[in-house]
Amino acid sequence: SQQGEEDPQALSIQEGENATMNCSYKTSINNLQWYRQNSGRGLVHLILIRSNEREKHSGRLRVTLDTSKKSSSLLITASRAADTASYFCATVTGYSTLTFGKGTMLLVSP
Amino acid sequence: NAGVTQTPKFQVLKTGQSMTLQCAQDMNHNSMYWYRQDPGMGLRLIYYSASEGTTDKGEVPNGYNVSRLNKREFSLRLESAAPSQTSVYFCASSESGGRSNQPQHFGDGTRLSIL
Repeated sequence: SQQGEEDPQALSIQEGENATMNCSYKTSINNLQWYRQNSGRGLVHLILIRSNEREKHSGRLRVTLDTSKKSSSLLITASRAADTASYFCATVTGYSTLTFGKGTMLLVSP
Repeated sequence: NAGVTQTPKFQVLKTGQSMTLQCAQDMNHNSMYWYRQDPGMGLRLIYYSASEGTTDKGEVPNGYNVSRLNKREFSLRLESAAPSQTSVYFCASSESGGRSNQPQHFGDGTRLSIL
């Protein structure tokens, strides 16, 4: 069963705008990871945040984690057309197997 | 640097046929994984191998078998394919399993249709 649930399911924005995706999960985690999937390709790891961290940055990506609310958010600033993809959160509980959410489809229009 | 390579990329089978999906990684990773991705379902773990010589069931193992041939290769076998196994299959690898915080590296998938 899915551990994480992304929200929204789909997001459409213009280039230059910020995109925010949310992930909620059900049980305690060791860490939470975000992945990107371009159409017809495999998943690419974006960022990992540990359960004792609250915020992490990588380039135009900002991830927050609120363990009390069992939620995380991914912010992509100044979006580009090349950011068009599906974004998945994945949680690690116990042994480091990943449990993925259903993803958010992001469309960035020029 | 190929990363994770999956073969074949596409396959059509008839119900009851068998086939093996191949996966190889060149990153000297210890752990390898097989997932399936269905529309609206995200990725679900079928089997994983924490290290060479070990395999364990994931969330949806029924109808599948795996072999960790060596450190580089991890294959997934469908013994008697069923239409419900129509899906996109992804192989992934990571440096190590256990409680370490390691990202996974994915291949580009095998698109399998079973008629």
